[in-house]
Amino acid sequence: EDQVTQSPEALRLQEGESSSLNCSYTVSGLRGLFWYRQDPGKGPEFLFTLYSAGEEKEKERLKATLTKKESFLHITAPKPEDSATYLCAVFSGNTPLVFGKGTRLSVIA
Amino acid sequence: DGGITQSPKYLFRKEGQNVTLSCEQNLNHDAMYWYRQDPGQGLRLIYYSQIVNDFQKGDIAEGYSVSREKKESFPLTVTSAQKNPTAFYLCASSIDRRGRGHVGYTFGSGTRLTVV
Repeated sequence: EDQVTQSPEALRLQEGESSSLNCSYTVSGLRGLFWYRQDPGKGPEFLFTLYSAGEEKEKERLKATLTKKESFLHITAPKPEDSATYLCAVFSGNTPLVFGKGTRLSVIA
Repeated sequence: DGGITQSPKYLFRKEGQNVTLSCEQNLNHDAMYWYRQDPGQGLRLIYYSQIVNDFQKGDIAEGYSVSREKKESFPLTVTSAQKNPTAFYLCASSIDRRGRGHVGYTFGSGTRLTVV
């Protein structure tokens, strides 16, 4: 059974204080790892897809990386508008995406 | 613009009532999904459909029903058998690439259901 664990559950940062969110996974053959951003009361928005270990993707202040056991979402010099819940999900080939419980990020000005 | 539309945004249900949540997409996606989101629980899969006239149960299907009569539409009915229906419901769709890799979901904006 595919499993995804995200840590920490919640993270509070000062504006400009860089940090990383972790997504650990157990799957029988990873065929895709996905990061989404979700604002309160809204549907998740797609950020990145990673397919193989060593792959990296960047978008503004966000950078996603992937190893054989986990993925990191690095946030560089965050701003208050980066506050959201960040969701990680995996795909192993035959079933719908399996999601982690998310990390709630708060960036304080 | 292509997208996925959920309605209504807010829905109130009385005890013992069935209610139906709408989900429509114009992305020409083959697969559609329903998730339930509770605080601290993440996204839990209710039902999914990979093709018209076919659907499968997810992890928490009890008390819910779906239909997939058209490619564009995947309504979810919350029945009176669902004992704790208050939650945020998310519909999603994706291209079915027949095992050639997944490109992720497009989500709707959600429906918040409250039992009164």
